[in-house]
Amino acid sequence: AQSVTQLGSHVSVSEGALVLLRCNYSSSVPPYLFWYVQYPNQGLQLLLKYTSAATLVKGINGFEAEFKKSETSFHLTKPSAHMSDAAEYFCAVSDLGASKIIFGSGTRLSIRP
Amino acid sequence: AAGVIQSPRHLIKEKRETATLKCYPIPRHDTVYWYQQGPGQDPQFLISFYEKMQSDKGSIPDRFSAQQFSDYHSELNMSSLELGDSALYFCASSLLGLASTTSTDTQYFGPGTRLTVL
Repeated sequence: AQSVTQLGSHVSVSEGALVLLRCNYSSSVPPYLFWYVQYPNQGLQLLLKYTSAATLVKGINGFEAEFKKSETSFHLTKPSAHMSDAAEYFCAVSDLGASKIIFGSGTRLSIRP
Repeated sequence: AAGVIQSPRHLIKEKRETATLKCYPIPRHDTVYWYQQGPGQDPQFLISFYEKMQSDKGSIPDRFSAQQFSDYHSELNMSSLELGDSALYFCASSLLGLASTTSTDTQYFGPGTRLTVL
């Protein structure tokens, strides 16, 4: 069965610092991998998606993620954090063919002034 | 660009009542998914429909049922509501387009319906 594990339920960084949110996946076949962001009291917004076309995926708002098969990882990074990045971030996985998405437990990102 | 529409945005019900949540997918999308997100939890897949047929089923209680209509909108019907049903219910849509070359496979989420059961 597919699953994702997000390391760290809460990450706090200073404004302007590097953001690194960790995600490891478990899948017996090449998966689709996603990062979604959820702002308080809002829905889920797709940040970026990996579909095996390229290992480095660039998303919206300056975020990117690198698929590393050898490490079964799909960590999310942003070079310089902004106050508006404060939100809950979910790593997720699905099979090819857009069946159900399985979400990780989420990482709450806080930004310190 | 048009997004997924969910109604109502907020719903308050008493225990043992029924509730109906509606989802209007992005135009031309053929697949609808329902997820439940409890307080402080990650979203959990409930059920999905492709071309008006149930395509997958997750941890959906027997008290819940759903369907997709000819115009592709979907409704989630919830009966005998319990306190534990209080959650944010998301609908997502995608274009599987198995008979088409324009499949995106990406699920786009609506803003959710917040259900509170008292």
